[in-house]
Amino acid sequence: QQQVKQSPQSLIVQKGGIPIINCAYENTAFDYFPWYQQFPGKGPALLIAIRPDVSEKKEGRFTISFNKSAKQFSLHIMDSQPGDSATYFCAASTGTGFQKLVFGTGTRLLVSP
Amino acid sequence: DAGVTQSPTHLIKTRGQQVTLRCSPKSGHDTVSWYQQALGQGPQFIFQYYEEEERQRGNFPDRFSGHQFPNYSSELNVNALLLGDSALYLCASSSRQGLAYEQYFGPGTRLTVT
Repeated sequence: QQQVKQSPQSLIVQKGGIPIINCAYENTAFDYFPWYQQFPGKGPALLIAIRPDVSEKKEGRFTISFNKSAKQFSLHIMDSQPGDSATYFCAASTGTGFQKLVFGTGTRLLVSP
Repeated sequence: DAGVTQSPTHLIKTRGQQVTLRCSPKSGHDTVSWYQQALGQGPQFIFQYYEEEERQRGNFPDRFSGHQFPNYSSELNVNALLLGDSALYLCASSSRQGLAYEQYFGPGTRLTVT
């Protein structure tokens, strides 16, 4: 019940395309859903996060869509660029007490020029 | 404003040895969490420290221990190293004030056990 399932494992899109990464969870106590971007040899960088009281959040070219009833959320990258090529992780945590992030398995994105 | 810093960057140890990794949180943060990231996997939560006490612990054996200092910096200690402990160890900091949910990661320490 503590798992977050992420798909696809890898994704290749052309420059300007809109890659979509999906995550699903079982634990209804989760109430914070961040996305992290990780480049090789670096630590994960917080990209964008959403709480379940909204269905969509946009920050620049990154959009999170959230479906509370389906227990699913996804990341869309608009007008993708070669510099977006990285591994993306979804995560979830509960709002009570101290936070521990439960991560998905990651999606390796390649944006071709 | 300095972000989360970790030392050392890389470390090579032999099976059975002990290792200490260090983390300095982002300025203004008081909570430190440690994660283990195996190659090709997502980070796995080890434990979290606040006010110099372990507040939460993931599914890791007692060989993994930690400490938080009064200046909020933290150490992760691993005893009796196994080959399977080879991984990237990440430190994340956050603040109990304001947006307590947001965790910011350091660059990690790459530990190789031979």
